[in-house]
Amino acid sequence: DAGVIQSPRHEVTEMGQEVTLRCKPISGHDYLFWYRQTMMRGLELLIYFNNNVPIDDSGMPEDRFSAKMPNASFSTLKIQPSEPRDSAVYFCASSRLVRFGHHGYTFGSGTRLTVV
Amino acid sequence: QQQVKQSPQSLIVQKGGISIINCAYENTAFDYFPWYQQFPGKGPALLIAIRPDVSEKKEGRFTISFNKSAKQFSLHIMDSQPGDSATYFCAAGYASSNTGKLIFGQGTTLQVKP
Repeated sequence: DAGVIQSPRHEVTEMGQEVTLRCKPISGHDYLFWYRQTMMRGLELLIYFNNNVPIDDSGMPEDRFSAKMPNASFSTLKIQPSEPRDSAVYFCASSRLVRFGHHGYTFGSGTRLTVV
Repeated sequence: QQQVKQSPQSLIVQKGGISIINCAYENTAFDYFPWYQQFPGKGPALLIAIRPDVSEKKEGRFTISFNKSAKQFSLHIMDSQPGDSATYFCAAGYASSNTGKLIFGQGTTLQVKP
């Protein structure tokens, strides 16, 4: 299994531009999570999906952020317009329901976003 | 109530020593407590996890101790090695309700000196 695949690995963009981050979860996983990691705030859950349906988007910082999961093998996180304070590493993770409901997340390698 | 507080922020240990990282939570509805290990440039990876019906779980050199009454849990790394140098995150979730959501601590950067 190739694991959770994120693209791009690095993104540098100018303030005001649209940024789209992509994620391919592990086949058979029915949960997908988007996290943001910064030194100040650690790992923050932005949004998660179950069976392609958004379940909790309370962590999405503001309307500039949106996420979609059109099918079980693909998700996007979009920031429009981007701002310097959005600079962070964005992780996608997937998991599946297992015995006793344990969720062993598998994280991708992340996208390092820099907004200048 | 959703927060998980982790300490220390950073830790330096000599090779062969014991590394201890602590976490505390408020929400008694949490019933799943994993630890994740993250190396530079990589995503976090599941290291070990515990449920509140046991007080300790050991896997190799890694042990989770859980104190339900104090709402605290900790990771102990015995015989710490330079290869253990990484960032460690504790987390808390709701296994029984199947929400899938994990709340992470702030992370601890561990450096093991040779």
